[in-house]
Amino acid sequence: QVQLQESGPGLVKPSQTLSLTCTVSGGSISSGGYYWSWIRQHPGKGLEWIGYIYYSGSTYYNPSLKSRVTISVDTSKNQFSLKLSSVTAADTAVYYCARVKGYAPSNYFDYWGQGTLVTVSS
Amino acid sequence: QSVLTQPPSVSGAPGQRVTISCTGSSSNIGAGYDVHWYQQLPGTAPKLLIYGNSNRPSGVPDRFSGSKSGTSASLAITGLQAEDEADYYCQSYDSSLSGPWVFGGGTKLTVL
Repeated sequence: QVQLQESGPGLVKPSQTLSLTCTVSGGSISSGGYYWSWIRQHPGKGLEWIGYIYYSGSTYYNPSLKSRVTISVDTSKNQFSLKLSSVTAADTAVYYCARVKGYAPSNYFDYWGQGTLVTVSS
Repeated sequence: QSVLTQPPSVSGAPGQRVTISCTGSSSNIGAGYDVHWYQQLPGTAPKLLIYGNSNRPSGVPDRFSGSKSGTSASLAITGLQAEDEADYYCQSYDSSLSGPWVFGGGTKLTVL
């Protein structure tokens, strides 16, 4: 059973960089076959896909966030990470990491982390 | 506003059947891309409910079913139970600048 767990600061100051890590257990990122993704949910709102990474390091980002997002992978630790720069209060959200399955482009998210709330405030 | 449109809320009594619609356009559902559904119980992460329009992952009761036609998709829940009260989201691929993967705005299901 694959499990994902997000970790990182719950409070970030405006204009700083949000950094989160997702640790995967029960499966190896480097085995390939899956993308690994970040998704966020603003308080009381719907879901927004942020971007994905493959074990090789190839990435794809949501066009609306692309200029501020960097996703990286550390296969030795079986982790992938999210960095979101120049944050504002509008970036306050629950951030989820998830495994992407299926055949492109009709992929879907089959395993999710429990989510971590990040608040942007001074 | 979401690329995929869902009703904000639906409700039904225990034992009844409810449906949740997900309306897209020619750049997503209408282009033939699959629709997937997620269930989010209060205070928890979303859970995959239906993938590839109508397939259920192992462990999902057959009370849940999905379908797709034209530019829309639907999630049906039969034999409604109190534990089904949750938010439901559809998701698909979109070939416009909104994509590639987009979600509906979510539907709150209330079991009366």
